[in-house]
Amino acid sequence: DSGVTQTPKHLITATGQRVTLRCSPRSGDLSVYWYQQSLDQGLQFLIQYYNGEERAKGNILERFSAQQFPDLHSELNLSSLELGDSALYFCASSVGDSNTGELFFGEGSRLTVL
Amino acid sequence: AQSVAQPEDQVNVAEGNPLTVKCTYSVSGNPYLFWYVQYPNRGLQFLLKYITGDNLVKGSYGFEAEFNKSQTSFHLKKPSALVSDSALYFCAVRALDTGRRALTFGSGTRLQVQP
Repeated sequence: DSGVTQTPKHLITATGQRVTLRCSPRSGDLSVYWYQQSLDQGLQFLIQYYNGEERAKGNILERFSAQQFPDLHSELNLSSLELGDSALYFCASSVGDSNTGELFFGEGSRLTVL
Repeated sequence: AQSVAQPEDQVNVAEGNPLTVKCTYSVSGNPYLFWYVQYPNRGLQFLLKYITGDNLVKGSYGFEAEFNKSQTSFHLKKPSALVSDSALYFCAVRALDTGRRALTFGSGTRLQVQP
């Protein structure tokens, strides 16, 4: 158990809908990272937050947004969903923001868009 | 830009034999290098990392990796494979000297260890 909790584990929705994925980092970790894993794109970095502030941005679509709350949990919002958004979305956390240490990954949220 | 290449989609090895999973990288400046493993229906787990120092890095479950700066490689190795090592392995890199803090992952290599 990595200590990172993601909900929901599975989500099935329709095109055009909006969903919110939630992540609770390990106790004491200030950084949260979101990654998307799909068969054709591999593991893609989306966005990183550190202590409530956006730190780095990757290949995140404009239809997607994220935030980190004062209690350090994070939410990834996906809107106007398309079939191609079907993927496994991982949250990871680390103590600091320099990323020299290991990342601790949750078990992911599997999103299916029909 | 930083990138990672894992040239093999799958590696097959017999139990008890040595295994190698290949990784090459491209970054501006000095790299931080990582290996992660993903078991079915699970998140990624950290195996080992190279930051600086000895080019041979030892990690979890008997795995090790060798950093080769001239060849820009960071191959994962294990002297004797176990069936339980069968999983998806990811190499990752981050440039030390840039403001980009996120890890870039390779496409993954599936390791199949046959009994």
